[in-house]
Amino acid sequence: AQSVSQHNHHVILSEAASLELGCNYSYGGTVNLFWYVQYPGQHLQLLLKYFSGDPLVKGIKGFEAEFIKSKFSFNLRKPSVQWSDTAEYFCAVNPYNNNDMRFGAGTRLTVKP
Amino acid sequence: EAGVAQSPRYKIIEKRQSVAFWCNPISGHATLYWYQQILGQGPKLLIQFQNNGVVDDSQLPKDRFSAERLKGVDSTLKIQPAKLEDSAVYLCASSYTGSNTEAFFGQGTRLTVV
Repeated sequence: AQSVSQHNHHVILSEAASLELGCNYSYGGTVNLFWYVQYPGQHLQLLLKYFSGDPLVKGIKGFEAEFIKSKFSFNLRKPSVQWSDTAEYFCAVNPYNNNDMRFGAGTRLTVKP
Repeated sequence: EAGVAQSPRYKIIEKRQSVAFWCNPISGHATLYWYQQILGQGPKLLIQFQNNGVVDDSQLPKDRFSAERLKGVDSTLKIQPAKLEDSAVYLCASSYTGSNTEAFFGQGTRLTVV
């Protein structure tokens, strides 16, 4: 079964700093890739997704992610974070044509005002 | 469109008791998932249904956990008997079936076993 690694457990940034959260997966075939966000007290929401095509994916709230197939990575980025981005971020993967979605352990982002 | 509905939101039980969680997926979503999210960890897939059939239950502790989706819509997840380590948030999600789909999550049920 595929696995997902998120290297940063807790990231603390000041407002306007740039963000990059790492995500690597282990699966040899074609995959669908996702980033979900969980704001405090809320349910998991989709931030962005990659199915095919342009490996640079733009999501909501200024987030983007780049799929690098050779590195099995799908890192999340944002040029300038805001206090409201404080949340937990989860990378998820499922094999193409299979809805078996697996999550990473999550990265807690704290943005200081 | 209505989202994934779960109940109850919170549940506190003593160890060795039983508990059941309910999920109503988004209308038209054939795939339904149950995840367990222990504090500080990512969601772990327990079981995946497609319509009323089980697609994957390899990570479901079958000696104490069971799940069903009899009519291919609502689903229940049961734990009997509960252990302290079952304390977690139980998430239900649903999606269309197919190659390029995303899962939509409910609010979850926070279970505390004391």
